[in-house]
Amino acid sequence: DAKTTQPNSMESNEEEPVHLPCNHSTISGTDYIHWYRQLPSQGPEYVIHGLTSNVNNRMASLAIAEDRKSSTLILHRATLRDAAVYYCILNRTGANNLFFGTGTRLTVIP
Amino acid sequence: SAVISQKPSRDICQRGTSLTIQCQVDSQVTMMFWYRQQPGQSLTLIATANQGSEATYESGFVIDKFPISRPNLTFSTLTVSNMSPEDSSIYLCSGTPGPRTDTQYFGPGTRLTVL
Repeated sequence: DAKTTQPNSMESNEEEPVHLPCNHSTISGTDYIHWYRQLPSQGPEYVIHGLTSNVNNRMASLAIAEDRKSSTLILHRATLRDAAVYYCILNRTGANNLFFGTGTRLTVIP
Repeated sequence: SAVISQKPSRDICQRGTSLTIQCQVDSQVTMMFWYRQQPGQSLTLIATANQGSEATYESGFVIDKFPISRPNLTFSTLTVSNMSPEDSSIYLCSGTPGPRTDTQYFGPGTRLTVL
């Protein structure tokens, strides 16, 4: 499975935008880019996913580079409840399992 | 969407014993998975629970140690057999409603401590 690289940790001030980067230089044409997050003492929860085009949903936006070798998860306005570990995962079309990397621990400062 | 519950939420067990963890989904899901999360680490996939057939295990995990059942589309169990302190982890199940992993829903996890 293709690997992803994320910073170990990031900090953000409350109510400011957060850009969480992910590098996936070995991505293949059939790999979807998924983001999940894990709040303290909870199971992971789905955030967003995309293939080539940028995506928006109620939780976040996903910006995908034109060459697809990197992507950025954007939280438009960080709240204290967004403090979590964010995982960027490549998921091959037709595959049904997720392989988690180490993720980025986001700290939100009030 | 799917809501997933697990029982027990936590347990403390003696080495050499076995524990069965139950995973219940509130709606039918096509795929179910079991993960392990060791203290301070990320999730590692143990196996895919297949309905009516043997689970598909990832490298490093074997059926004798982690037998899995999936009798129907909403329920699965994972047994941690002959436990040692190294098995102390959080065990999580997940399910995906569709044929592809567009979204995977996770349970809250079972925190296991082996003494």
